[in-house]
Amino acid sequence: QSALTQPRSVSGSPGQSVTISCTGTSGDVGGYDYVSWYQQPPGTAPKLIIHDVSQRPSGVPDRFSGSKSGNTASLTISGLQAEDEADYHCCSYAGSYTVVFGGGTKLTVL
Amino acid sequence: EVQLVESGGGLVKPGGSLRLSCAASGFAFSSYSMNWVRQAPGKGLEWVSTISTSSIYVYYADSVKGRFTISRDNAKNSLYLQMNSLRGEDTAVYYCARDIHPTGTTGAFDIWGQGTAVTVSS
Repeated sequence: QSALTQPRSVSGSPGQSVTISCTGTSGDVGGYDYVSWYQQPPGTAPKLIIHDVSQRPSGVPDRFSGSKSGNTASLTISGLQAEDEADYHCCSYAGSYTVVFGGGTKLTVL
Repeated sequence: EVQLVESGGGLVKPGGSLRLSCAASGFAFSSYSMNWVRQAPGKGLEWVSTISTSSIYVYYADSVKGRFTISRDNAKNSLYLQMNSLRGEDTAVYYCARDIHPTGTTGAFDIWGQGTAVTVSS
């Protein structure tokens, strides 16, 4: 149950696009189409923004998109807004009814 | 309103025990597998445990296996986490969460509680 690897921080200016990577193994990210992404502003509970690699729950803007290639999943935020500043966590099913998270990425909007 | 509300957190000495509760409302609790996820101060999220709809199947992270026990009472729409032999590294905010896929756990947690803080310290 090793954590997925995410960059510790990323940044971008309003209106730009940023991509956050999430690297795992064939036993988690690469083996299943069950990758999720969460947005977590400081002091709040996580909010699901992407599930099943690329599916957006109702109410999540289409500026948020997810994809996967091999053992690496990616979250892309386009048209960056100040309100997007938060921590972002990736998550993957890891087989045998277990789940593994990444270490989290802090997004700064410059 | 779909809601999860945790309770039971607090300060406990190393080696001690604590029981967390999570009250669900606004959805068919008995139809969903349920989960506990924790977050240590300044750290990322960590999956802790999952319980199936009828409590037949339970799963744990290696870090808590043998010390924590997940359970549920569908008649009371409640989820529990019994934590024994607590260690400093168990200090975290504990969240209960529902998976968007009713009968499994995929890590797609669409409903979260507000969290309850557990501090293990002498």
